[in-house]
Amino acid sequence: SQQGEEDPQALSIQEGENATMNCSYKTSINNLQWYRQNSGRGLVHLILIRSNEREKHSGRLRVTLDTSKKSSSLLITASRAADTASYFCTTDSWGKFQFGAGTQVVVTP
Amino acid sequence: GAVVSQHPSWVICKSGTSVKIECRSLDFQATTMFWYRQFPKQSLMLMATSNEGSKATYEQGVEKDKFLINHASLTLSTLTVTSAHPEDSSFYICSARDGEGNNQPQHFGDGTRLSIL
Repeated sequence: SQQGEEDPQALSIQEGENATMNCSYKTSINNLQWYRQNSGRGLVHLILIRSNEREKHSGRLRVTLDTSKKSSSLLITASRAADTASYFCTTDSWGKFQFGAGTQVVVTP
Repeated sequence: GAVVSQHPSWVICKSGTSVKIECRSLDFQATTMFWYRQFPKQSLMLMATSNEGSKATYEQGVEKDKFLINHASLTLSTLTVTSAHPEDSSFYICSARDGEGNNQPQHFGDGTRLSIL
């Protein structure tokens, strides 16, 4: 069964708005990572948050992790058209990676 | 930053052909590389973990004889789709980790789009 499950499946917003997506997982993890994928391309690593961390920031990105609920969220603030992509979470259970289905984000100018 | 190069970017070939895809870590050594398959608008499915100098570890349901993996050096892993058929058409992506410890992100190639006619 799939480990990471993103929610929502798709998100359409306007430039300047914030975008929030969630990820839930089922087993114990070492860390959780968020990636971005532009259409037809490979994945770009965004943020890694360890199991003992609760929040992490990188530029306009903010990631939270709640291990008690086995969930994580990714917030993109002040979105730009260039943020249009699919976003995936993946859990790392000591070298075993599983990706969620992804959230497709469309940012319109 | 760590760069992974995947080649070719796309391949179109006839049914029955064998296709080799290369994955190279350009500025770091990777004892472990990963091969994924992705269908349109779907997530990545891990096919196998490629270990330098040893046999690959395949995920359940992935045919070892169909998808041959060779990791002959610390910077190169290859995936060969043998006797490819239309159902093998997909987007194949490799990744590598820079470092052996836990909490290392994966660095992805740009993927190979394989179309079998």
